[in-house]
Amino acid sequence: QKEVEQDPGPLSVPEGAIVSLNCTYSNSAFQYFMWYRQYSRKGPELLMYTYSSGNKEDGRFTAQVDKSSKYISLFIRDSQPSDSATYLCAMSAIPSNFGNEKLTFGTGTRLTIIP
Amino acid sequence: GAVVSQHPSRVICKSGTSVKIECRSLDFQATTMFWYRQFPKQSLMLMATSNEGSKATYEQGVEKDKFLINHASLTLSTLTVTSAHPEDSSFYICSASGSELGWYEQYFGPGTRLTVT
Repeated sequence: QKEVEQDPGPLSVPEGAIVSLNCTYSNSAFQYFMWYRQYSRKGPELLMYTYSSGNKEDGRFTAQVDKSSKYISLFIRDSQPSDSATYLCAMSAIPSNFGNEKLTFGTGTRLTIIP
Repeated sequence: GAVVSQHPSRVICKSGTSVKIECRSLDFQATTMFWYRQFPKQSLMLMATSNEGSKATYEQGVEKDKFLINHASLTLSTLTVTSAHPEDSSFYICSASGSELGWYEQYFGPGTRLTVT
């Protein structure tokens, strides 16, 4: 069983729709949860991070973490064609010291917003 | 956000030759750099972690003699693929983090597409 599971999609939604992206994980030591956006043939870009359980909102993006269910979500409101990309979840346990903060990534979900 | 560059963006080499990929942090000191490999439609696979001035720590299954990593300064890390073979063809991405950033903040380079013929 992979430590982090993410539906690879692809997921296609019409412009303006609400998008829900999800990951599940098995390692209860994970405390930090990140979402990255990766455009084709580019490196990932950090979108949001969340510590422990709860919600975090940044513009059209909302990240949710439910540690009891080991389930995290990213919601995109009023989706735009420019949101078309692959979205990767990533997570980490608290490192023992700086320089030891390994991230474990999901496989990524390919999202297409249809104009 | 912080900026990380990679060079070259793509490289084609013949089987048996060595290829060096550079990763630079442009506006912060990268205490730690990470090297990943990504196959099509797959996730990022961590290959190794390097701290400036120290030997890299390789993930299980990654051949340290084949993938040589040097992190000689706070702004530069290099990955050398030695005696490359077609199965080494992949997308290689570096990321960097620094003590002046949040520890969870890894900034990624744009990646290097390696094709071994």
